[in-house]
Amino acid sequence: QVQLQESGPGLVKPSETLSLTCTVSGASISSYYWSWIRQPPGKGLEWIGYIYYTGSTNHNPSLKSRVTISVDTSKNQFSLRLSSVTAADTAVYYCASLDPNWYFDYWGQGTLVTVSS
Amino acid sequence: QSALTQPASVSGSPGQSITISCTGTSSDVGGYNYVSWYQQHPGKAPKLMIYDVSNRPSGVSNRFSGSKSGNTASLTISGLQAEDEADYYCSSYTSTGTVFGGGTKLTVL
Repeated sequence: QVQLQESGPGLVKPSETLSLTCTVSGASISSYYWSWIRQPPGKGLEWIGYIYYTGSTNHNPSLKSRVTISVDTSKNQFSLRLSSVTAADTAVYYCASLDPNWYFDYWGQGTLVTVSS
Repeated sequence: QSALTQPASVSGSPGQSITISCTGTSSDVGGYNYVSWYQQHPGKAPKLMIYDVSNRPSGVSNRFSGSKSGNTASLTISGLQAEDEADYYCSSYTSTGTVFGGGTKLTVL
């Protein structure tokens, strides 16, 4: 059974960088695509981006160049960095596996990140 | 990358059937058979219910079915049960990645 677990600070100051890590168990990170999705409180889902184990990435154009997604195959982890955060970036952040047919089949439990001074 | 359009809410009584629509464009829903649906209960992570327009993952009840016509995809839940009360989101591949619908709150009366 594939399991994902997000970890990282729950509070980030405005203009700083949000950093989260997703640890994958039950599957090799080298066998899939991996993605980040977020959900502002009381709102809908927003795709952030994905990474393949080779390091190939793609991200939501609306987030422009603020997003960096990386992978550490030795730790079976992938990570998200979102720079220059504002209150609008406050959300529950989920990591998920992404099938090549563009559906998210396994999800982490999510972690709330609040942007506030 | 505009969000797909879903009704904000739908409701039905136990045993009835309901359908949730998901409208996009020829650049997303209408252009690819990569539409998926997710169920989300309060405080929980989304759960995959339908993929590739109409396929059900192992373990998902056959009361859930998906279809697509033109730029609109649909999720139908038959034989409504209390446990189906949740938020539902559609998602589609698009040339720049993937886009979600705004979500539909299903109330079982």
